[in-house]
Amino acid sequence: AQSVTQPDIHITVSEGASLELRCNYSYGATPYLFWYVQSPGQGLQLLLKYFSGDTLVQGIKGFEAEFKRSQSSFNLRKPSVHWSDAAEYFCAVGGLQDYKLSFGAGTTVTVRA
Amino acid sequence: SQTIHQWPATLVQPVGSPLSLECTVEGTSNPNLYWYRQAAGRGLQLLFYSVGIGQISSEVPQNLSASRPQDRQFILSSKKLLLSDSGFYLCAWSVLLGGNTEAFFGQGTRLTVV
Repeated sequence: AQSVTQPDIHITVSEGASLELRCNYSYGATPYLFWYVQSPGQGLQLLLKYFSGDTLVQGIKGFEAEFKRSQSSFNLRKPSVHWSDAAEYFCAVGGLQDYKLSFGAGTTVTVRA
Repeated sequence: SQTIHQWPATLVQPVGSPLSLECTVEGTSNPNLYWYRQAAGRGLQLLFYSVGIGQISSEVPQNLSASRPQDRQFILSSKKLLLSDSGFYLCAWSVLLGGNTEAFFGQGTRLTVV
């Protein structure tokens, strides 16, 4: 069965500081990995995705993520956060033969001035 | 371009009342359709998905049902709501997860059962 673990429920960072959100997955085949962001009361917006190739993927809003197969991880990073990055972030896993995306429980990011 | 419409945005319903949430997709054909529920602190739980008209797969036993009467229409229903049905419901669509694509989400429906 596929699953995603986001170990950090809540992270607080200062504006301008770096941010890293952890994601570990379990999947029986080649995984497709995603990071989504959700602003309060809104739907989910895709930040970036990994299907194959370069294990460091760039996304929107200055985010990047690195796929590490040996660690079953897909951590999200941003070098310098902005107040507008305060939101909830979800990691998800799917696959070639799979119609479903499985999501982690999410990490809420608070940005302090 | 493709768009997804989900309504209503908010809904307050008494316990025991029926429920119908509707989701429609425009600009694509034969999409995979999904209903997720988001409860506080519990992330997104996949409730139902559909790969075609009349084809519904249920992920978890519950008080809800789903139907797909048309190719781009997905409906979430309940005959009698429970307090535990409160949450944020998200509809999503994808063409094919394995084809370098992703799931696209509606804006969600906040359901409060009182």
